Amino acid sequence: AQTVTQSQPEMSVQEAETVTLSCTYDTSESDYYLFWYKQPPSRQMILVIRQEAYKQQNATENRFSVNFQKAAKSFSLKISDSQLGDAAMYFCAYRSYWAGNEKLTFGTGTRLTIIP
Amino acid sequence: DTGVSQDPRHKITKRGQNVTFRCDPISEHNRLYWYRQTLGQGPEFLTYFQNEAQLEKSRLLSDRFSAERPKGSFSTLEIQRTEQGDSAMYLCASSPDAGAGLNNEKLFFGSGTQLSVL
Repeated sequence: AQTVTQSQPEMSVQEAETVTLSCTYDTSESDYYLFWYKQPPSRQMILVIRQEAYKQQNATENRFSVNFQKAAKSFSLKISDSQLGDAAMYFCAYRSYWAGNEKLTFGTGTRLTIIP
Repeated sequence: DTGVSQDPRHKITKRGQNVTFRCDPISEHNRLYWYRQTLGQGPEFLTYFQNEAQLEKSRLLSDRFSAERPKGSFSTLEIQRTEQGDSAMYLCASSPDAGAGLNNEKLFFGSGTQLSVL
């Protein structure tokens, strides 16, 4: 079974600064997807960024980028130019590439606070 | 596209009562998922449907839990004889069918139903 570990329960960053959230995972599969989801106080999980394991290039979405280290099974999220609206719980998640195993496995989350 | 909607948003019940939650997925999405999230934890997978077929159930889904998706549209999650340990947020998500092209691996979540069992 796959597991996802987020070792930082809480992080804080000054507005406009950069912060990196850590995530490690364990799997015996070679093809899979990794995701970062954001959960604001409204509770709705919002996809921030995704990475296909077969792609070596790190995914980027505007101010959000990842550092994907497949051999180390590490998948960190970097948020540049942090904004007040980035305050939320951030969850790292894993999904198998193969049909019939589509469920997401989540980490325990990191609560990100933005300091004005 | 109005997104995934869940009803009710909050539910307070007494131990031993039955409760039912409803999820309406994004209309063109064939796959529907139920997750449970307790305080301080990430969502945990409960079950998922491909159209009306329930394809996988977690061992977390005890005999008191039942999920249905008649006609492959909305879904209901029923909990019978609720226990205090059932208190959690129940999240629903949907996704396009496999092979539907880009973004078929992305899950779109609703805002959840917060259940409190007294």
